[in-house]
Amino acid sequence: EVQLVESGGGLVQPGGSLRLSCAASGFTFSTYWMHWVRQAPGKGLVWVSRINSDGSSTSYADSVKGRFTISRDNAKNTLYLQMNSLRAEDTAVYYCARGTYYSSLFDWGQGTLVTVSS
Amino acid sequence: QSALTQPASVSGSPGQSITISCTGTSSDVGGYNYVSWYQQHPGKAPKLMIYDVSKRPSGVSNRFSGSKSGNTASLTISGLQAEDEADYYCSSYTSSSTGVFGGGTKLTVL
Repeated sequence: EVQLVESGGGLVQPGGSLRLSCAASGFTFSTYWMHWVRQAPGKGLVWVSRINSDGSSTSYADSVKGRFTISRDNAKNTLYLQMNSLRAEDTAVYYCARGTYYSSLFDWGQGTLVTVSS
Repeated sequence: QSALTQPASVSGSPGQSITISCTGTSSDVGGYNYVSWYQQHPGKAPKLMIYDVSKRPSGVSNRFSGSKSGNTASLTISGLQAEDEADYYCSSYTSSSTGVFGGGTKLTVL
């Protein structure tokens, strides 16, 4: 059974940093593209970032480009999202997802809540 | 990276069929056969219902079907059931090598 478990969310002040993690199990992590998607409270889904299987290729939404960095450790079956210069509008539940390069997302974690507030 | 356009809400009675549209541009929906649809119940993670425009993942009911014409994709749910009441989101690959979601559609089963 595929399992994706996010962690690292919490309350952070504007301008601060946070690193999210996503622990994967139940599949061969090193062979899949992985994605981050976020959802602000009461709002819709927003695609954030993707990374290829070996970490050599990444893409970002314009809203986070230059502030967020996606990475992975295939030895630890873990996906990361480093978030810097956080803004109030980054407040959301962040989901990691297993998918394809063209962003079909087959399996999702339960999400971790990030709140940016002073 | 503008969001795809979906109706805010649709409704139908049990047993009926409904269709949710998803309109993009030639740089996303119209340019690739990489449209997906997701179902999300309140407080839950999204679930993939349709990928590659019309393919169903294993375990998804054949009451769910997808199609595309030009820059508009559609999700049809036939034989509506109470458990289908949820939010539905479309998504597409884009020419910028990113993903983009629609704004979401709330389905109410009357």
